[in-house]
Amino acid sequence: EVQLVESGGGLVKPGGSLRLSCAASGFSFSSYNMNWVRQAPGKGLEWISSISSGSSYIYYADSVKGRITISRDNAKNSLFLQMNSLRAEDTAVYFCARLIGWDYGDHWGQGTLVTVSS
Amino acid sequence: QSALTQPPSVSGSPGQSVTISCTGTSSDVGSYDRVSWYQQPPGTAPKLMIYDVSNRPSGVPDRFSGSKSGNTASLTISGLQAEDEGDYYCSSYTSSSTWVFGGGTKLTVL
Repeated sequence: EVQLVESGGGLVKPGGSLRLSCAASGFSFSSYNMNWVRQAPGKGLEWISSISSGSSYIYYADSVKGRITISRDNAKNSLFLQMNSLRAEDTAVYFCARLIGWDYGDHWGQGTLVTVSS
Repeated sequence: QSALTQPPSVSGSPGQSVTISCTGTSSDVGSYDRVSWYQQPPGTAPKLMIYDVSNRPSGVPDRFSGSKSGNTASLTISGLQAEDEGDYYCSSYTSSSTWVFGGGTKLTVL
């Protein structure tokens, strides 16, 4: 069974940093591209970053470019999102998703909540 | 990276059909058959319902169908059931090698 489990969320002050993790199991993690998608409270889904299976291709949304870094460790079946210079508007549930090609996310984690507040 | 345009809400009675539209541009929906649709009941993770415009993953009822014309994609749910309630989001791959989501549509089964 494919499983994606996010962790690392929490309360952080504006300007602070946080590193999110997504632990993958039940499939060959190193063969799949991956996404991070977030959802602010009461709002819609927002794509923020993608990474190819071998980390050769990385893409970011303009809203987070320069403040976040996506990475992965295929040996540990893990996906990461390093977030710096956090702002109140970064408050959201962050989901990781397995991509089929670059087309769509067929499996999603349950998400981890990041709250940026003083 | 402007969001795709969806109606904020749609509703229908059990057994009826509803269609949710998703309008993008020639840089996303209009250029690629890489439109997907997700269902998200309150407090849960998104669930893939349609991929590549009109394909259904295994386990998704054939009451759900997708189509596309020009810059607009559509999700049609026929034979509405109470369990279909929730938020629906479209998504498209873009010419910038990024993704874009729609603003979401709340489906209410009356």
